[in-house]
Amino acid sequence: AQSVTQLDSQVPVFEEAPVELRCNYSSSVSVYLFWYVQYPNQGLQLLLKYLSGSTLVESINGFEAEFNKSQTSFHLRKPSVHISDTAEYFCAVSVTGGSYIPTFGRGTSLIVHP
Amino acid sequence: DVKVTQSSRYLVKRTGEKVFLECVQDMDHENMFWYRQDPGLGLRLIYFSYDVKMKEKGDIPEGYSVSREKKERFSLILESASTNQTSMYLCASFSTEAFFGQGTRLTVV
Repeated sequence: AQSVTQLDSQVPVFEEAPVELRCNYSSSVSVYLFWYVQYPNQGLQLLLKYLSGSTLVESINGFEAEFNKSQTSFHLRKPSVHISDTAEYFCAVSVTGGSYIPTFGRGTSLIVHP
Repeated sequence: DVKVTQSSRYLVKRTGEKVFLECVQDMDHENMFWYRQDPGLGLRLIYFSYDVKMKEKGDIPEGYSVSREKKERFSLILESASTNQTSMYLCASFSTEAFFGQGTRLTVV
Protein backbone atom coordinates (compact mmCIF):
# COMPACT_ATOMS: atom_id res chain seq x y z
CA ALA A 1 0.00 0.00 0.00
CA GLN A 2 1.13 3.54 -0.63
CA SER A 3 1.41 6.36 1.87
CA VAL A 4 2.00 10.10 1.80
CA THR A 5 3.75 12.30 4.35
CA GLN A 6 3.41 16.05 4.35
CA LEU A 7 6.16 17.20 6.62
CA ASP A 8 4.69 20.54 7.66
CA SER A 9 1.21 21.01 9.03
CA GLN A 10 1.43 24.78 8.76
CA VAL A 11 3.66 27.11 6.75
CA PRO A 12 3.46 30.85 7.46
CA VAL A 13 5.08 33.14 4.93
CA PHE A 14 5.05 36.81 3.95
CA GLU A 15 3.55 37.97 0.69
CA GLU A 16 5.96 37.91 -2.28
CA ALA A 17 8.30 35.49 -0.49
CA PRO A 18 9.09 32.05 -1.95
CA VAL A 19 7.53 28.94 -0.44
CA GLU A 20 8.05 25.19 -0.52
CA LEU A 21 5.52 22.66 0.74
CA ARG A 22 7.09 19.27 1.25
CA CYS A 23 5.64 15.90 0.29
CA ASN A 24 7.20 12.46 0.50
CA TYR A 25 5.56 9.22 -0.50
CA SER A 26 6.19 5.52 -0.22
CA SER A 27 5.13 2.89 -2.72
CA SER A 28 6.51 -0.37 -4.03
CA VAL A 29 5.21 0.35 -7.53
CA SER A 30 5.09 3.27 -9.94
CA VAL A 31 2.86 6.13 -8.93
CA TYR A 32 0.93 9.12 -10.12
CA LEU A 33 1.35 12.23 -7.95
CA PHE A 34 -0.99 15.14 -7.31
CA TRP A 35 -1.29 18.39 -5.44
CA TYR A 36 -4.77 19.62 -4.53
CA VAL A 37 -5.74 22.97 -3.03
CA GLN A 38 -8.70 23.63 -0.75
CA TYR A 39 -9.93 27.16 -0.11
CA PRO A 40 -12.05 27.77 3.02
CA ASN A 41 -15.40 25.97 3.02
CA GLN A 42 -14.83 24.46 -0.41
CA GLY A 43 -13.97 21.10 -1.85
CA LEU A 44 -10.54 20.21 -3.22
CA GLN A 45 -9.36 21.37 -6.63
CA LEU A 46 -6.54 19.85 -8.62
CA LEU A 47 -3.51 22.14 -8.67
CA LEU A 48 -1.11 20.00 -10.69
CA LYS A 49 -0.30 16.40 -11.42
CA TYR A 50 2.53 14.14 -12.52
CA LEU A 51 1.51 11.13 -14.61
CA SER A 52 4.58 10.59 -16.80
CA GLY A 53 7.13 12.47 -18.89
CA SER A 54 8.82 15.62 -17.61
CA THR A 55 9.44 15.44 -13.89
CA LEU A 56 8.76 19.17 -13.50
CA VAL A 57 5.08 20.08 -13.69
CA GLU A 58 3.51 23.52 -13.46
CA SER A 59 0.14 24.99 -12.61
CA ILE A 60 -1.52 27.95 -14.27
CA ASN A 61 -1.12 30.13 -11.17
CA GLY A 62 2.64 29.87 -10.79
CA PHE A 63 3.10 26.77 -8.64
CA GLU A 64 5.43 23.99 -9.72
CA ALA A 65 6.38 20.58 -8.37
CA GLU A 66 9.19 18.21 -9.23
CA PHE A 67 8.95 14.45 -9.09
CA ASN A 68 12.14 13.05 -7.55
CA LYS A 69 12.04 9.29 -7.76
CA SER A 70 15.26 8.68 -5.86
CA GLN A 71 14.10 10.77 -2.92
CA THR A 72 10.44 9.73 -3.32
CA SER A 73 9.41 13.35 -3.10
CA PHE A 74 7.03 15.71 -4.88
CA HIS A 75 7.59 19.10 -3.26
CA LEU A 76 5.45 22.07 -4.24
CA ARG A 77 7.09 25.45 -4.81
CA LYS A 78 6.17 28.98 -5.75
CA PRO A 79 8.78 31.74 -6.17
CA SER A 80 6.49 34.55 -4.97
CA VAL A 81 3.24 33.96 -3.07
CA HIS A 82 0.15 36.12 -2.92
CA ILE A 83 -2.42 36.59 -0.17
CA SER A 84 -4.90 34.65 -2.30
CA ASP A 85 -2.67 31.55 -2.09
CA THR A 86 -3.71 31.14 1.55
CA ALA A 87 -5.34 27.70 1.60
CA GLU A 88 -4.90 24.06 2.60
CA TYR A 89 -2.73 22.02 0.25
CA PHE A 90 -2.92 18.25 -0.05
CA CYS A 91 -0.44 15.92 -1.68
CA ALA A 92 -1.84 12.66 -3.04
CA VAL A 93 -0.52 9.49 -4.67
CA SER A 94 -2.15 6.71 -6.64
CA VAL A 95 -0.56 3.63 -8.16
CA THR A 96 -0.29 3.26 -11.91
CA GLY A 97 -2.16 0.44 -13.57
CA GLY A 98 -4.15 -0.25 -10.46
CA SER A 99 -7.35 0.92 -8.93
CA TYR A 100 -6.26 4.58 -9.00
CA ILE A 101 -7.56 5.05 -5.47
CA PRO A 102 -5.72 8.16 -4.31
CA THR A 103 -4.13 8.29 -0.88
CA PHE A 104 -3.91 11.77 0.61
CA GLY A 105 -1.50 13.38 3.01
CA ARG A 106 -2.74 15.20 6.09
CA GLY A 107 -2.48 18.58 4.44
CA THR A 108 -0.37 21.71 4.85
CA SER A 109 -1.96 25.00 5.74
CA LEU A 110 -0.26 27.81 3.82
CA ILE A 111 -0.80 31.15 5.53
CA VAL A 112 0.34 34.20 3.60
CA HIS A 113 0.76 37.38 5.65
CA PRO A 114 0.73 40.89 4.15
CA ASP B 1 -17.46 22.33 -16.98
CA VAL B 2 -17.20 19.02 -15.17
CA LYS B 3 -19.13 18.77 -11.99
CA VAL B 4 -19.56 16.77 -8.81
CA THR B 5 -22.56 17.98 -6.84
CA GLN B 6 -23.29 17.21 -3.22
CA SER B 7 -26.89 17.75 -2.22
CA SER B 8 -26.26 19.78 0.93
CA ARG B 9 -23.52 22.18 2.04
CA TYR B 10 -24.56 22.12 5.71
CA LEU B 11 -26.60 19.64 7.71
CA VAL B 12 -27.54 19.42 11.37
CA LYS B 13 -28.92 16.09 12.56
CA ARG B 14 -29.79 14.54 15.89
CA THR B 15 -28.06 11.56 17.42
CA GLY B 16 -29.66 8.34 16.24
CA GLU B 17 -31.11 9.74 13.03
CA LYS B 18 -30.55 8.04 9.70
CA VAL B 19 -28.70 10.47 7.43
CA PHE B 20 -28.38 10.41 3.66
CA LEU B 21 -25.64 12.33 1.84
CA GLU B 22 -26.12 12.44 -1.90
CA CYS B 23 -23.52 12.93 -4.60
CA VAL B 24 -23.99 13.22 -8.37
CA GLN B 25 -21.33 13.46 -11.09
CA ASP B 26 -21.78 14.33 -14.75
CA MET B 27 -18.51 12.94 -16.13
CA ASP B 28 -19.58 9.32 -16.66
CA HIS B 29 -16.81 8.17 -14.30
CA GLU B 30 -16.92 4.65 -13.01
CA ASN B 31 -14.99 5.39 -9.82
CA MET B 32 -16.58 7.35 -7.00
CA PHE B 33 -15.44 7.90 -3.43
CA TRP B 34 -16.58 9.21 -0.07
CA TYR B 35 -14.05 10.78 2.27
CA ARG B 36 -14.35 12.49 5.59
CA GLN B 37 -12.07 15.36 6.47
CA ASP B 38 -11.09 16.24 10.01
CA PRO B 39 -8.53 18.78 11.22
CA GLY B 40 -5.06 17.29 11.46
CA LEU B 41 -6.17 13.97 9.95
CA GLY B 42 -6.50 14.92 6.30
CA LEU B 43 -8.87 12.93 4.09
CA ARG B 44 -9.83 9.45 5.14
CA LEU B 45 -11.54 7.08 2.75
CA ILE B 46 -14.89 5.73 3.94
CA TYR B 47 -16.16 3.78 0.92
CA PHE B 48 -15.57 3.65 -2.80
CA SER B 49 -17.30 2.20 -5.82
CA TYR B 50 -15.96 0.99 -9.16
CA ASP B 51 -19.29 0.50 -10.85
CA VAL B 52 -23.02 0.42 -10.38
CA LYS B 53 -24.10 -1.71 -7.43
CA MET B 54 -20.47 -2.32 -6.55
CA LYS B 55 -18.90 -1.02 -3.31
CA GLU B 56 -15.74 -1.53 -1.34
CA LYS B 57 -14.84 -0.51 2.20
CA GLY B 58 -12.21 2.10 2.66
CA ASP B 59 -10.17 2.80 5.77
CA ILE B 60 -12.98 3.86 8.11
CA PRO B 61 -16.28 2.23 7.03
CA GLU B 62 -17.69 1.61 10.51
CA GLY B 63 -21.03 3.31 11.03
CA TYR B 64 -21.50 4.02 7.33
CA SER B 65 -22.99 2.33 4.30
CA VAL B 66 -23.30 3.35 0.66
CA SER B 67 -25.58 2.90 -2.31
CA ARG B 68 -24.82 3.12 -6.01
CA GLU B 69 -27.93 2.31 -8.04
CA LYS B 70 -26.98 4.52 -10.98
CA LYS B 71 -23.56 5.33 -12.40
CA GLU B 72 -23.85 9.05 -11.73
CA ARG B 73 -25.07 8.83 -8.13
CA PHE B 74 -23.24 7.64 -5.03
CA SER B 75 -24.95 7.98 -1.67
CA LEU B 76 -23.43 7.80 1.79
CA ILE B 77 -25.69 6.62 4.61
CA LEU B 78 -25.17 7.08 8.32
CA GLU B 79 -27.37 4.35 9.74
CA SER B 80 -27.60 5.91 13.21
CA ALA B 81 -25.77 9.21 13.45
CA SER B 82 -23.45 9.78 16.38
CA THR B 83 -21.62 12.88 17.58
CA ASN B 84 -18.26 11.45 16.49
CA GLN B 85 -19.52 11.54 12.91
CA THR B 86 -19.58 15.32 12.99
CA SER B 87 -17.24 16.16 10.12
CA MET B 88 -16.79 17.48 6.61
CA TYR B 89 -17.78 14.84 4.03
CA LEU B 90 -16.32 15.00 0.55
CA CYS B 91 -17.48 13.08 -2.48
CA ALA B 92 -15.21 12.59 -5.48
CA SER B 93 -15.27 10.90 -8.84
CA PHE B 94 -12.04 9.71 -10.37
CA SER B 95 -10.45 8.89 -13.70
CA THR B 96 -6.73 9.78 -13.71
CA GLU B 97 -7.46 12.60 -11.25
CA ALA B 98 -10.09 13.21 -8.62
CA PHE B 99 -12.91 15.71 -9.01
CA PHE B 100 -14.44 16.80 -5.74
CA GLY B 101 -17.79 18.14 -4.70
CA GLN B 102 -18.08 21.21 -2.48
CA GLY B 103 -18.39 19.15 0.65
CA THR B 104 -21.12 18.65 3.24
CA ARG B 105 -20.42 19.89 6.72
CA LEU B 106 -22.44 17.60 8.99
CA THR B 107 -23.05 18.38 12.63
CA VAL B 108 -24.61 15.70 14.82
CA VAL B 109 -26.09 17.02 18.05
